[in-house]
Amino acid sequence: GAVVSQHPSWVICKSGTSVKIECRSLDFQATTMFWYRQFPKQSLMLMATSNEGSKATYEQGVEKDKFLINHASLTLSTLTVTSAHPEDSSFYICSASTRTDSNQPQHFGDGTRLSIL
Amino acid sequence: GESVGLHLPTLSVQEGDNSIINCAYSNSASDYFIWYKQESGKGPQFIIDIRSNMDKRQGQRVTVLLNKTVKHLSLQIAATQPGDSAVYFCAEVAPGYSSASKIIFGSGTRLSIRP
Repeated sequence: GAVVSQHPSWVICKSGTSVKIECRSLDFQATTMFWYRQFPKQSLMLMATSNEGSKATYEQGVEKDKFLINHASLTLSTLTVTSAHPEDSSFYICSASTRTDSNQPQHFGDGTRLSIL
Repeated sequence: GESVGLHLPTLSVQEGDNSIINCAYSNSASDYFIWYKQESGKGPQFIIDIRSNMDKRQGQRVTVLLNKTVKHLSLQIAATQPGDSAVYFCAEVAPGYSSASKIIFGSGTRLSIRP
């Protein structure tokens, strides 16, 4: 149980385009979802926290207009990287949590590898 | 600011030996810690957690030790196997744990297994 799925798993696109990444909780309702970014050989850095039906809370230094987050339902959150540039190339990971789950605080997806040419 | 860090960036261990991965944290108010395993191209996988009212917790082949006095965590893996090769992160859950609590990841240790 508690499976989190991300789509796509890998995307390559040209500089200047926008890319949308989906994060779904497959078998539970996620009251809160989190988005992380991980550069090569580095740790996961939290970008933002989103709660269903409300605006996301962004970490310091993360541009909210650059990284648009939508959490329209209890099973889906999306991250859109707008006008992506090579420096946005990274591994983006989402996680989801639920009030009723006491086994782990967050369940992680398997990430999306984003490469901007 | 708050941070969670590791002493060793890489660790090479002979197959069958025990592995010990260390981690230091800075927020003395932290009361919940987790160890994650991350394989290449995948998300973090929960291994074991510990709360501040404990100093030791054991799982299958893994043991986590917590020393609150010196703000230090360690993960011990017994009889290390090739499948244990991965990057290991200690993580700190923000105090006042709820479903919206942030997780702060340490810098990670890569564990490689020698045959």
